[in-house]
Amino acid sequence: EVQLVQSGAEVKKPGDSLRISCKGSGYSFTNYWITWVRQRPGKGLEWMGRIDPSDSRTYYSPSFEGHVTISADKSVRTAYLQWSSLKASDTAIYYCAPGIYDTTGFYEYLHHWGQGTLVTVSS
Amino acid sequence: DIQLTQSPSSLSASVGDRVTITCRASESVSTYLNWYQQRPGKAPKLLIYAASNLQSGVPSRFSGSGSGTDFTLTISSLQPEDFANYYCQQVFRTVRTFGQGTKVEVK
Repeated sequence: EVQLVQSGAEVKKPGDSLRISCKGSGYSFTNYWITWVRQRPGKGLEWMGRIDPSDSRTYYSPSFEGHVTISADKSVRTAYLQWSSLKASDTAIYYCAPGIYDTTGFYEYLHHWGQGTLVTVSS
Repeated sequence: DIQLTQSPSSLSASVGDRVTITCRASESVSTYLNWYQQRPGKAPKLLIYAASNLQSGVPSRFSGSGSGTDFTLTISSLQPEDFANYYCQQVFRTVRTFGQGTKVEVK
């Protein structure tokens, strides 16, 4: 069974650093890019970026590039999302999901999702 | 980035209604478009991939169509469990994007 288990909720102050994690199991971790998605309170889904766990290639949305860092450690089957200086506007639930490809190998979709990590940034 | 615009942003409907949500891309994404459902407090759930392919286990009342820049998600007969938020996502470009979402509410 494919599972993505994310780290627990965090409460931080503006300016703090933070790293949250997403551990995959039940599938070949290095075969699927991991995507991170933000959802602010009461708002929609925002695609942040994705990483190839096999070689740590990353792609970021321009909206997030420079503010977050996506990384992965294939030895422990875990992807990470980190901030060096949090802002109140980073308050959100963050989801991870591996990008699965259909039988043609062309179409990617997000079928299995982590449970989400709530990050609260408040002074 | 490819921008995805969903319409309407919200709609009110009754059980049994036929519901259609549209997603328009700022440039062609061929059929590289997915649809997700999200219920409150839950992670998103994949409904449709590659514009028109029903994900295994998803009820057949859900269907998707379109190509290029214009896509639709149709619920043929709305059920109580379908009141939720719906999002389209393009996977044509390396940098993916979601639409802003459509909330389906009880009329």
